[in-house]
Amino acid sequence: SQTIHQWPATLVQPVGSPLSLECTVEGTSNPNLYWYRQAAGRGLQLLFYSVGIGQISSEVPQNLSASRPQDRQFILSSKKLLLSDSGFYLCAWSPGRTYEQYFGPGTRLTVT
Amino acid sequence: LAKTTQPISMDSYEGQEVNITCSHNNIATNDYITWYQQFPSQGPRFIIQGYKTKVTNEVASLFIPADRKSSTLSLPRVSLSDTAVYYCLVGDLYTDKLIFGTGTRLQVFP
Repeated sequence: SQTIHQWPATLVQPVGSPLSLECTVEGTSNPNLYWYRQAAGRGLQLLFYSVGIGQISSEVPQNLSASRPQDRQFILSSKKLLLSDSGFYLCAWSPGRTYEQYFGPGTRLTVT
Repeated sequence: LAKTTQPISMDSYEGQEVNITCSHNNIATNDYITWYQQFPSQGPRFIIQGYKTKVTNEVASLFIPADRKSSTLSLPRVSLSDTAVYYCLVGDLYTDKLIFGTGTRLQVFP
Protein backbone atom coordinates (compact mmCIF):
# COMPACT_ATOMS: atom_id res chain seq x y z
CA SER A 1 0.00 0.00 0.00
CA GLN A 2 1.05 3.60 -0.51
CA THR A 3 2.17 5.85 2.31
CA ILE A 4 3.06 9.52 2.39
CA HIS A 5 5.32 11.02 5.02
CA GLN A 6 5.95 14.62 5.97
CA TRP A 7 8.31 16.09 8.51
CA PRO A 8 8.60 17.83 10.77
CA ALA A 9 5.07 17.84 12.19
CA THR A 10 5.50 21.27 13.75
CA LEU A 11 8.07 23.98 13.31
CA VAL A 12 8.66 27.40 14.84
CA GLN A 13 11.10 29.58 12.95
CA PRO A 14 12.17 33.24 13.25
CA VAL A 15 11.61 35.68 10.42
CA GLY A 16 14.51 35.60 7.97
CA SER A 17 15.53 32.03 8.73
CA PRO A 18 15.67 29.29 6.08
CA LEU A 19 13.11 26.52 5.67
CA SER A 20 13.20 22.96 4.44
CA LEU A 21 10.17 20.68 4.56
CA GLU A 22 10.39 17.17 3.22
CA CYS A 23 7.78 14.84 1.80
CA THR A 24 8.30 11.25 0.71
CA VAL A 25 5.96 8.71 -0.81
CA GLU A 26 6.28 4.94 -0.52
CA GLY A 27 4.66 2.16 -2.49
CA THR A 28 4.24 3.86 -5.85
CA SER A 29 6.37 5.14 -8.68
CA ASN A 30 6.30 8.34 -10.74
CA PRO A 31 3.56 9.98 -8.70
CA ASN A 32 2.29 13.52 -9.25
CA LEU A 33 3.37 15.48 -6.18
CA TYR A 34 1.85 18.63 -4.73
CA TRP A 35 2.62 21.21 -2.04
CA TYR A 36 -0.31 23.14 -0.54
CA ARG A 37 -0.51 25.81 2.12
CA GLN A 38 -3.48 26.43 4.32
CA ALA A 39 -3.65 29.60 6.41
CA ALA A 40 -5.56 29.41 9.66
CA GLY A 41 -9.26 28.95 8.97
CA ARG A 42 -8.78 29.24 5.23
CA GLY A 43 -8.86 27.01 2.17
CA LEU A 44 -6.15 25.12 0.32
CA GLN A 45 -3.69 27.07 -1.81
CA LEU A 46 -1.67 25.07 -4.32
CA LEU A 47 1.97 26.17 -4.20
CA PHE A 48 3.82 23.71 -6.43
CA TYR A 49 3.18 20.53 -8.32
CA SER A 50 5.47 18.09 -10.06
CA VAL A 51 4.82 15.39 -12.65
CA GLY A 52 8.37 14.02 -12.57
CA ILE A 53 11.93 14.39 -11.32
CA GLY A 54 13.15 17.94 -11.85
CA GLN A 55 9.77 19.07 -13.23
CA ILE A 56 8.25 21.71 -10.97
CA SER A 57 5.38 24.06 -11.71
CA SER A 58 4.94 27.08 -9.48
CA GLU A 59 1.42 28.30 -8.89
CA VAL A 60 1.97 31.33 -6.72
CA PRO A 61 4.88 33.82 -6.89
CA GLN A 62 6.51 33.98 -3.48
CA ASN A 63 9.73 33.40 -1.60
CA LEU A 64 9.25 29.64 -1.56
CA SER A 65 10.75 27.08 -3.92
CA ALA A 66 10.34 23.36 -4.45
CA SER A 67 12.56 20.59 -5.69
CA ARG A 68 12.13 16.94 -6.59
CA PRO A 69 15.56 15.33 -6.37
CA GLN A 70 14.17 11.79 -6.46
CA ASP A 71 11.05 10.21 -7.88
CA ARG A 72 9.23 10.02 -4.57
CA GLN A 73 10.77 12.94 -2.72
CA PHE A 74 9.45 16.49 -2.76
CA ILE A 75 11.09 19.32 -0.84
CA LEU A 76 9.74 22.78 -0.03
CA SER A 77 12.31 25.44 0.77
CA SER A 78 12.80 29.07 1.54
CA LYS A 79 15.95 31.12 1.99
CA LYS A 80 14.30 33.72 4.22
CA LEU A 81 10.97 33.18 5.89
CA LEU A 82 8.34 35.91 6.19
CA LEU A 83 5.63 36.22 8.82
CA SER A 84 3.09 35.55 6.06
CA ASP A 85 4.65 32.12 5.46
CA SER A 86 3.02 30.81 8.63
CA GLY A 87 0.47 28.11 7.98
CA PHE A 88 -0.28 24.45 7.59
CA TYR A 89 1.75 22.90 4.78
CA LEU A 90 0.42 19.81 3.13
CA CYS A 91 2.07 17.47 0.68
CA ALA A 92 -0.05 15.23 -1.54
CA TRP A 93 0.44 12.66 -4.25
CA SER A 94 -1.75 11.22 -6.98
CA PRO A 95 -1.27 8.54 -9.64
CA GLY A 96 -2.11 11.15 -12.28
CA ARG A 97 -3.98 14.37 -12.83
CA THR A 98 -7.47 12.89 -12.97
CA TYR A 99 -7.02 10.67 -9.95
CA GLU A 100 -7.74 11.47 -6.32
CA GLN A 101 -4.98 13.04 -4.26
CA TYR A 102 -3.69 11.50 -1.07
CA PHE A 103 -2.50 13.95 1.57
CA GLY A 104 0.21 13.69 4.16
CA PRO A 105 -0.24 14.61 7.84
CA GLY A 106 0.98 18.18 7.29
CA THR A 107 3.51 20.51 8.90
CA ARG A 108 2.35 23.36 11.11
CA LEU A 109 4.78 26.24 10.53
CA THR A 110 4.81 29.29 12.77
CA VAL A 111 7.07 32.17 11.79
CA THR A 112 7.80 34.49 14.70
CA LEU B 1 -8.65 32.38 -12.78
CA ALA B 2 -12.16 31.00 -12.40
CA LYS B 3 -13.32 30.40 -8.87
CA THR B 4 -14.84 27.25 -7.58
CA THR B 5 -17.38 28.34 -5.00
CA GLN B 6 -19.18 26.61 -2.15
CA PRO B 7 -21.38 27.79 0.73
CA ILE B 8 -19.23 28.89 3.63
CA SER B 9 -21.05 26.85 6.25
CA MET B 10 -23.98 24.53 6.85
CA ASP B 11 -25.66 23.22 9.98
CA SER B 12 -27.45 19.91 10.33
CA TYR B 13 -28.67 17.42 12.92
CA GLU B 14 -27.75 13.81 13.34
CA GLY B 15 -29.65 11.49 11.04
CA GLN B 16 -30.42 14.11 8.42
CA GLU B 17 -29.28 14.13 4.81
CA VAL B 18 -26.90 16.94 3.90
CA ASN B 19 -26.36 18.26 0.39
CA ILE B 20 -23.37 20.50 -0.35
CA THR B 21 -23.13 22.15 -3.74
CA CYS B 22 -20.03 23.33 -5.56
CA SER B 23 -20.25 25.77 -8.47
CA HIS B 24 -17.61 25.37 -11.17
CA ASN B 25 -18.68 27.23 -14.29
CA ASN B 26 -15.39 26.78 -16.14
CA ILE B 27 -14.69 23.13 -15.48
CA ALA B 28 -12.24 21.50 -17.86
CA THR B 29 -13.85 19.16 -20.39
CA ASN B 30 -11.97 16.03 -19.44
CA ASP B 31 -11.55 16.51 -15.71
CA TYR B 32 -13.29 14.68 -12.93
CA ILE B 33 -14.95 16.31 -9.93
CA THR B 34 -13.53 15.17 -6.64
CA TRP B 35 -14.68 15.83 -3.08
CA TYR B 36 -12.61 15.78 0.09
CA GLN B 37 -13.26 15.92 3.82
CA GLN B 38 -10.91 17.69 6.19
CA PHE B 39 -10.76 17.56 9.99
CA PRO B 40 -8.80 20.17 11.97
CA SER B 41 -5.02 19.78 11.76
CA GLN B 42 -5.26 16.90 9.29
CA GLY B 43 -4.82 16.59 5.57
CA PRO B 44 -7.95 16.32 3.40
CA ARG B 45 -9.30 12.84 2.82
CA PHE B 46 -10.84 11.63 -0.44
CA ILE B 47 -14.60 11.04 -0.32
CA ILE B 48 -15.88 10.53 -3.85
CA GLN B 49 -15.14 11.30 -7.48
CA GLY B 50 -17.28 11.49 -10.60
CA TYR B 51 -17.42 12.75 -14.17
CA LYS B 52 -21.15 12.99 -14.89
CA THR B 53 -24.60 11.88 -13.70
CA LYS B 54 -24.51 10.12 -10.35
CA VAL B 55 -21.88 8.25 -8.42
CA THR B 56 -22.45 6.47 -5.13
CA ASN B 57 -20.09 4.78 -2.70
CA GLU B 58 -20.38 3.55 0.86
CA VAL B 59 -20.19 7.03 2.39
CA ALA B 60 -21.68 9.52 -0.09
CA SER B 61 -23.33 10.23 -3.40
CA LEU B 62 -22.26 12.73 -6.00
CA PHE B 63 -24.75 14.32 -8.38
CA ILE B 64 -23.48 16.05 -11.52
CA PRO B 65 -25.87 17.71 -14.01
CA ALA B 66 -25.38 17.34 -17.74
CA ASP B 67 -23.64 20.71 -18.13
CA ARG B 68 -21.19 19.82 -15.29
CA LYS B 69 -21.12 23.42 -14.09
CA SER B 70 -21.95 22.34 -10.57
CA SER B 71 -21.92 19.24 -8.43
CA THR B 72 -23.66 18.21 -5.23
CA LEU B 73 -22.19 16.03 -2.53
CA SER B 74 -24.87 14.19 -0.61
CA LEU B 75 -24.17 12.74 2.83
CA PRO B 76 -26.96 10.43 4.00
CA ARG B 77 -27.86 10.34 7.69
CA VAL B 78 -24.99 12.43 9.02
CA SER B 79 -23.49 11.82 12.44
CA LEU B 80 -21.48 14.02 14.78
CA SER B 81 -18.29 12.63 13.28
CA ASP B 82 -19.20 14.15 9.91
CA THR B 83 -18.52 17.61 11.35
CA ALA B 84 -15.70 18.80 9.11
CA VAL B 85 -14.84 21.04 6.16
CA TYR B 86 -15.73 19.70 2.72
CA TYR B 87 -13.93 20.73 -0.46
CA CYS B 88 -14.57 20.09 -4.13
CA LEU B 89 -11.68 19.90 -6.62
CA VAL B 90 -11.98 20.47 -10.35
CA GLY B 91 -9.79 21.36 -13.29
CA ASP B 92 -10.16 24.80 -14.85
CA LEU B 93 -11.10 24.91 -18.55
CA TYR B 94 -8.91 27.90 -19.43
CA THR B 95 -5.83 27.45 -17.27
CA ASP B 96 -5.81 23.65 -16.99
CA LYS B 97 -5.09 24.07 -13.30
CA LEU B 98 -6.64 21.99 -10.57
CA ILE B 99 -8.61 24.24 -8.22
CA PHE B 100 -9.96 23.49 -4.79
CA GLY B 101 -13.30 25.01 -3.87
CA THR B 102 -13.60 27.54 -1.09
CA GLY B 103 -14.71 24.87 1.37
CA THR B 104 -17.93 24.30 3.33
CA ARG B 105 -17.80 23.94 7.08
CA LEU B 106 -20.44 21.42 8.12
CA GLN B 107 -21.52 21.38 11.76
CA VAL B 108 -23.65 18.45 12.87
CA PHE B 109 -25.62 18.85 16.10
CA PRO B 110 -27.05 16.10 18.34
